[in-house]
Amino acid sequence: DAKTTQPTSMDCAEGRAANLPCNHSTISGNEYVYWYRQIHSQGPQYIIHGLKNNETNEMASLIITEDRKSSTLILPHATLRDTAVYYCIVRVRHSGTYKYIFGTGTRLKVLA
Amino acid sequence: EAGVTQFPSHSVIEKGQTVTLRCDPISGHDNLYWYRRVMGKEIKFLLHFVKESKQDESGMPNNRFLAERTGGTYSTLKVQPAELEDSGVYFCASSRLHRGAGGTDTQYFGPGTRLTVL
Repeated sequence: DAKTTQPTSMDCAEGRAANLPCNHSTISGNEYVYWYRQIHSQGPQYIIHGLKNNETNEMASLIITEDRKSSTLILPHATLRDTAVYYCIVRVRHSGTYKYIFGTGTRLKVLA
Repeated sequence: EAGVTQFPSHSVIEKGQTVTLRCDPISGHDNLYWYRRVMGKEIKFLLHFVKESKQDESGMPNNRFLAERTGGTYSTLKVQPAELEDSGVYFCASSRLHRGAGGTDTQYFGPGTRLTVL
């Protein structure tokens, strides 16, 4: 019941912007897109989320297409510490509550 | 503020044995979730507590898995008897109570328990 597809891996040069794409073509109108990342041996760490509008916080920017079928997470100035697996998640309503549907993740390697 | 903690960090057991995983959510978080990732697969939802009540347990794989959250604080996930396919990493997450139908709940994850069944 995966709702997102992501590239398996990506490389990015240190100091450059990392753009991580995600397709969620079956997303429903009230389902949010969340992004988390997982650094080796830690739990998933929240980055950002959005519904329709583009969002920005101190960590990243989230660009959601107008039809909401895809989104892009942007790390504006990638550092070596940003090397991690990045998960694009759709939050769905189920049994009167919400749950996360994880994608398979993109393994981002930031190169010195 | 302490984060979500899980115990143990690793567990190695033999097929047929019992294992109990524990999760302590962030203080004040009424929502508690269990997820797991088995080898080569994506992280999948298991169940969701609101306080001490099971709100959604649609992801529990079978009746060998039993989750409890007595008193609405910490939670345990027991696997009895464990099978080889139960090996994986079990994550717990917590969030504040949802505020309205459109409210968002950022889930905060623990470091996970790596379970190996031999």
